Amino acid sequence: GAGVSQSPSNKVTEKGKDVELRCDPISGHTALYWYRQSLGQGLEFLIYFQGNSAPDKSGLPSDRFSAERTGGSVSTLTIQRTQQEDSAVYLCASRNRGNTEAFFGQGTRLTVV
Amino acid sequence: ILNVEQSPQSLHVQEGDSTNFTCSFPSSNFYALHWYRWETAKSPEALFVMTLNGDEKKKGRISATLNTKEGYSYLYIKGSQPEDSATYLCASESGGSYIPTFGRGTSLIVHP
Repeated sequence: GAGVSQSPSNKVTEKGKDVELRCDPISGHTALYWYRQSLGQGLEFLIYFQGNSAPDKSGLPSDRFSAERTGGSVSTLTIQRTQQEDSAVYLCASRNRGNTEAFFGQGTRLTVV
Repeated sequence: ILNVEQSPQSLHVQEGDSTNFTCSFPSSNFYALHWYRWETAKSPEALFVMTLNGDEKKKGRISATLNTKEGYSYLYIKGSQPEDSATYLCASESGGSYIPTFGRGTSLIVHP
């Protein structure tokens, strides 16, 4: 079956522009996570969706970042007015429930110039 | 926010060597510990998920142990091969959060 799919795989944008990153999770997975890895850093948690519950946004670094998950499936991470420090690999993961393995997409490499 | 530490940061070994890495995590309110392998240009791939103190898991030449009371896990690779070269990530989950918090990883390079 299909794994977690992310698009685009690479994105170069000018400082100040808005970007949207897309994640298609594995069908039936109720939990969806966004992480990012900046150069030289570990995986940083951004946001967590679980079913129809309100998302846990505690990892979003600023109010320029937002995410939604439509119909319990596809998720979009939006970064407004991008800054150079937003450059990173953005990873999406999905899974069925806690303490099970998460399945990751291949990530979107965002470069803000 | 959990503090998950991994050591060493990087490791170079020769083909055939056995090696191990450490992951330390807060022991209070522990729920689950994950190990992932992340190869360049690929997605992180789950190796193990462990929940019980004393758990030992094995997949081929790779094995892991878990001590939830003292808050550490070891990952072992027996007879390293060049294809084992990757970054090995651990992540800890605390009860009630269901958010895996990752360490910075151990970068392993196996030289032929």
